[in-house]
Amino acid sequence: GEDVEQSLFLSVREGDSSVINCTYTDSSSTYLYWYKQEPGAGLQLLTYIFSNMDMKQDQRLTVLLNKKDKHLSLRIADTQTGDSAIYFCAEIDSSASKIIFGSGTRLSIRP
Amino acid sequence: EAGVAQSPRYKIIEKRQSVAFWCNPISGHATLYWYQQILGQGPKLLIQFQNNGVVDDSQLPKDRFSAERLKGVDSTLKIQPAKLEDSAVYLCASSSERDQPQHFGDGTRLSIL
Repeated sequence: GEDVEQSLFLSVREGDSSVINCTYTDSSSTYLYWYKQEPGAGLQLLTYIFSNMDMKQDQRLTVLLNKKDKHLSLRIADTQTGDSAIYFCAEIDSSASKIIFGSGTRLSIRP
Repeated sequence: EAGVAQSPRYKIIEKRQSVAFWCNPISGHATLYWYQQILGQGPKLLIQFQNNGVVDDSQLPKDRFSAERLKGVDSTLKIQPAKLEDSAVYLCASSSERDQPQHFGDGTRLSIL
């Protein structure tokens, strides 16, 4: 079945760039998403990319998609303390019937 | 626009008791989802509605979980009877259509004693 994998933790220094990586298995995914979850809150949609795109930029966020390797990444430029959260990668399957989430990457910011 | 509303925010019950959660999606959103998020994991889809019809409930433990969306707007998720392993955050999400981005509520944190 479909699977989405992420590393569990990432620690970066404030002001540096953060790169969160994700791999997925469904080659026919139509959309891939990045969600942010802060403590005690639901998931906030950060950005998404269509499968026919290689890159999408939105202010401090850059999403890169390598369809050949089924690899998705999220780059956060100039990481701030407010970026501390768990980041979930997700894909929507080709039939658009359900979204599959990774286990999340916990991003921590050190001064 | 108002976001997805869920209540209650927290619920503590004993095992074998019953519990119900309520969700009000974003106005006009046809698709509604219920997810279970166990601590340290990503959300797992329990059930998906398109208007008031069920699209996917393949991962819903139907012996104890039930959900309805009678008028195609609000939805309730019920657990009866609850087990210890049901301790989790229950998230509701909605989207304008099935292949559009989903918007999440803040969830209900359920603790089973």
